[in-house]
Parts: sequence; structure tokens; C-alpha cells
Amino acid sequence: DTGVSQDPRHKITKRGQNVTFRCDPISEHNRLYWYRQTLGQGPEFLTYFQNEAQLEKSRLLSDRFSAERPKGSFSTLEIQRTEQGDSAMYLCASSFGQDRGAEAFFGQGTRLTVV
Amino acid sequence: KNQVEQSPQSLIILEGKNCTLQCNYTVSPFSNLRWYKQDTGRGPVSLTIMTFSENTKSNGRYTATLDADTKQSSLHITASQLSDSASYICVVRSGGGFKTIFGAGTRLFVKA
Repeated sequence: DTGVSQDPRHKITKRGQNVTFRCDPISEHNRLYWYRQTLGQGPEFLTYFQNEAQLEKSRLLSDRFSAERPKGSFSTLEIQRTEQGDSAMYLCASSFGQDRGAEAFFGQGTRLTVV
Repeated sequence: KNQVEQSPQSLIILEGKNCTLQCNYTVSPFSNLRWYKQDTGRGPVSLTIMTFSENTKSNGRYTATLDADTKQSSLHITASQLSDSASYICVVRSGGGFKTIFGAGTRLFVKA
């Protein structure tokens, strides 16, 4: 499977714990995006990387959230001191090229449940 | 404020019938608009992209329209199938950056 891969698919954690998600984009895709999606809503933009550089961060990305893409390939999203409000689907997407119209391909998402 | 609003919120139709989903946006400057299909528990998959100069575009049984003057788009599904049951999300990309604004989606249920 050469699509966007996310791991884990599901994560249940206790409030206050830290969690880390991984995203492997489509090979050669230089752009990588993280989104958060709650039930019944569309995805909300969190952050965007071009290669290893994090170029945009949403105000939704509080100081408990951090994302990295150290070698311009896979990316990690860490949430520290999780809260129940962090429960959501976290989607990763990747695209190739400089064109703003380039299609972003989404992964299956990581569903986080904070109890 | 950049917003994307979709209607209806949900829709139930019989297999074989047609339906039209609506998307209104206030995103400015406008770059492009995509319609995505999202099956339950999966990531969205792009159906079609519309740029400023395009009025209509088809992809099989899906036809998207764009009126850039009124900032409205529609997605028409012809001869619906059970597999069309999904959320359909309208996504507008701002020309001012790489931010994309997602609508909340229309949840479509196709019944036999």
C-alpha cells in the first residue's frame, strides 16, 4: 500500500497522559498536513510542513501540541497532558509539488479517546 | 471570517435517485474548491476540484458546479448507489496561503 499511513489507528488514553501519533506520507510528497476532526464536523487544519519545515500552525495547536517532521519524510504529532476535549480523529494528509491545487491524499486517521 | 457552510446537514434518498448537495463559502481570496467523499472511519478522498474559471466538472456520476460570483458550489449525484452513503465535504483553499477551510459535510444515506 503506497498511500498515507497513520499509526496507531486507535488510541485510548487516560487524561493527563502524553500520546504520540505517526504519519508516513506518500513517498516523494514534500507537503504534509495534520488535521483534527470531531464527530459530525469537517477536518480542522492544525499544521503544515513543507519538507522538514513547519510553515503554518493553527491557533488550535495549543502549547500542549507539537509536531515534527525531522527528515522531511514521516511526521509525529504529540499531545502532552491530554484532556477529554482532545478526543477526536487526527488526520494526516500529504501532497506533492508547489501548486496550491495539488491534491492532498489523506490517511485513515488515528482516533484518540481520552478517558 | 473565512467560512464554508454546507446544506443539508444530512440527507436520506432511495437507491437510484439523484440528489444535490450545496456549499456556500466566504473564503477570500479564493484559490480552489474541492469536494471530498469520506466513508465512515476513513480519511476523505477527493472527488473533484474546481478553480475560479470552471463552472462545471464531472467525475462519473458526480457533477460539481461552481458560481464564483455568488460563492456557491453544488455536487450532484446521479443514479445513487448504496456505496454513495458517506459524508461529502466541501473544502475551499484560500489563495492567501496553504490553509484549507473544510465544511462540516453533508451526511448522505442511500437506502435500498
